[in-house]
Amino acid sequence: EAGVAQSPRYKIIEKRQSVAFWCNPISGHATLYWYQQILGQGPKLLIQFQNNGVVDDSQLPKDRFSAERLKGVDSTLKIQPAKLEDSAVYLCASSSGQVQPQHFGDGTRLSIL
Amino acid sequence: ELKVEQNPLFLSMQEGKNYTIYCNYSTTSDRLYWYRQDPGKSLESLFVLLSNGAVKQEGRLMASLDTKARLSTLHITAAVHDLSATYFCAVGTQQTGANNLFFGTGTRLTVIP
Repeated sequence: EAGVAQSPRYKIIEKRQSVAFWCNPISGHATLYWYQQILGQGPKLLIQFQNNGVVDDSQLPKDRFSAERLKGVDSTLKIQPAKLEDSAVYLCASSSGQVQPQHFGDGTRLSIL
Repeated sequence: ELKVEQNPLFLSMQEGKNYTIYCNYSTTSDRLYWYRQDPGKSLESLFVLLSNGAVKQEGRLMASLDTKARLSTLHITAAVHDLSATYFCAVGTQQTGANNLFFGTGTRLTVIP
């Protein structure tokens, strides 16, 4: 089966600019997650979708981050405006059930200048 | 917030040796996952542990879970160079229907020929 697809793989922007990331989960996976992984740390959950509804966004910095999952399939994560501390890898994951392991995409490496 | 601690953070070991990575977590959980991450790559699911006393083995890796001690271990037997990677444990909680994962900081394993 095809894995979780993410694009772009790399993005370099200046602070205060905006950026968007795209994710296509594994077919049939109802649950989709966005994580932020800062260099040298474990991934930190930003937001979780169940189909096209938000289940948990308690750790999403809502003043600058937004995410949507239209039609319950693809998802986009946006940062506007970006800050230097947003430099990280943004990982998308999907799973088929609550206890099933999450399958991760290759991530988008974001560098803020 | 659930805290997950791994130790050691860095591990350098010779081929053929055995070693154990430890994962402690701070509150009750009913699921624990181990992931592997190669440099510049995404996370690969290794094990899912869902009950006290659970033990899973795959090749030279064996994972176990003690929910009473809030401890999981990842044991490496007769290490080979291909096992060099960063290993993360992740503890799951289910709050308000969300399947949240909290990741440890990772253990960077280097196997020396």
